Amino acid sequence: DGGITQSPKYLFRKEGQNVTLSCEQNLNHDAMYWYRQDPGQGLRLIYYSQIVNDFQKGDIAEGYSVSREKKESFPLTVTSAQKNPTAFYLCASSPDRSYEQYFGPGTRLTVT
Amino acid sequence: AQSVTQPDIHITVSEGASLELRCNYSYGATPYLFWYVQSPGQGLQLLLKYFSGDTLVQGIKGFEAEFKRSQSSFNLRKPSVHWSDAAEYFCAVGGSGNTGKLIFGQGTTLQVKP
Repeated sequence: DGGITQSPKYLFRKEGQNVTLSCEQNLNHDAMYWYRQDPGQGLRLIYYSQIVNDFQKGDIAEGYSVSREKKESFPLTVTSAQKNPTAFYLCASSPDRSYEQYFGPGTRLTVT
Repeated sequence: AQSVTQPDIHITVSEGASLELRCNYSYGATPYLFWYVQSPGQGLQLLLKYFSGDTLVQGIKGFEAEFKRSQSSFNLRKPSVHWSDAAEYFCAVGGSGNTGKLIFGQGTTLQVKP
């Protein structure tokens, strides 16, 4: 079945540690996106990539980093510089730049 | 700049009653408009989309939405709500700069009373 997988579903880390969230898609989509979701704030764009080996900052990129070495993979690293990393993180993909995005199941990150 | 407003943070309807969720957008040209639904702890599922053409669009699960350019609105409707429709609903707008980026509203939480 085609789709987007995010792992793990729940992630716990101590403050000061970097953590990497996985996002894989087998839809052969060119574009991939990372969003952060906090209660009452909708979805905010962290980073996006429209092609392999290229990515752009979204609205809240500070404290995050990404890579896009393969078309199907777009991992997100939450660094220790992110002041408030506890949130629900959603990955999405889209065929070229059609704006129609398909979402993964999300990873809930808790940092204590 | 593009923006999306969902005026209702929380809506409660009785099962079997009709539903309308409001969405207003700000965008200079003809936007691409979407409605997504999210169950607790899950990802977002696309309900329907509007790119061009017929302003009344049909989606999955019996939902429909109407694009009204004069009112900058894209309201989501369902004639008879089921208990399984309880979820959070997001309106989104895209179309700027060929980036594929979407701007999301803050969401409306739907509660369904038995």
